Amino acid sequence: AIQMTQSPSSLSASVGDRVTITCRASQGIGNDLGWYQQKPGKAPKLLIYVASNLQSGVPSRFSGSGSGTDFTLTISSLQPEDFATYYCLQDLNYPLTFGGGTKVEIK
Amino acid sequence: EVQLVESGGNLVQPGGSLRLSCAASGFIFSDYYMDWVRQAPGKGLEWVGRIRNKPNSYTTEYAASVNGRFTISRDDSKNSLYLQLNSLKTEDTALYYCARGHFASGSYSFDYWGQGTLVTVSS
Repeated sequence: AIQMTQSPSSLSASVGDRVTITCRASQGIGNDLGWYQQKPGKAPKLLIYVASNLQSGVPSRFSGSGSGTDFTLTISSLQPEDFATYYCLQDLNYPLTFGGGTKVEIK
Repeated sequence: EVQLVESGGNLVQPGGSLRLSCAASGFIFSDYYMDWVRQAPGKGLEWVGRIRNKPNSYTTEYAASVNGRFTISRDDSKNSLYLQLNSLKTEDTALYYCARGHFASGSYSFDYWGQGTLVTVSS
């Protein structure tokens, strides 16, 4: 199975900060990667698909980049509603595999 | 409005069985692949499995951890997705989500999720 390694596992940041989360695949996955946001007690929400495409309705401060094995989710200016846990997901091969998650907390 | 509503979660003893349901509305259910994803308490997300649509023969895929014990099915006439859980283990304790598959540029993501149904496996 393809292993997805996210880093960091957690971070503390302030409103207005630029935040970068990375996801590394154990083998090349092309652009077959999505990013999800999950708030406590809520279902995950799709932010980015095919590595860099912004899902409809998601604020433009979110962006994704990368291909092959290394991917990045960037929040250009962190807002109060962005404090959550973020997951990457590869869909190239079965089983689909999620990264371990990155918890973004308030500094 | 797209809605996915899971039900059927419960407390069950190890070795027991359970059937989860996911009622879909607001879209043409029969057009879509559907997946199950679970989340153990305080842990990350784990993909459980997928069922394809009729043009793709309703074929299924499963995570190794559930293969042979769990079965995904669907009834397009009822806009419903199911997950049959057999030979349950304590490590199957989790919130189970159904999710709609979204294809774009040859890649697949989950664009809508239900709110989840809790399965607790304990004696």
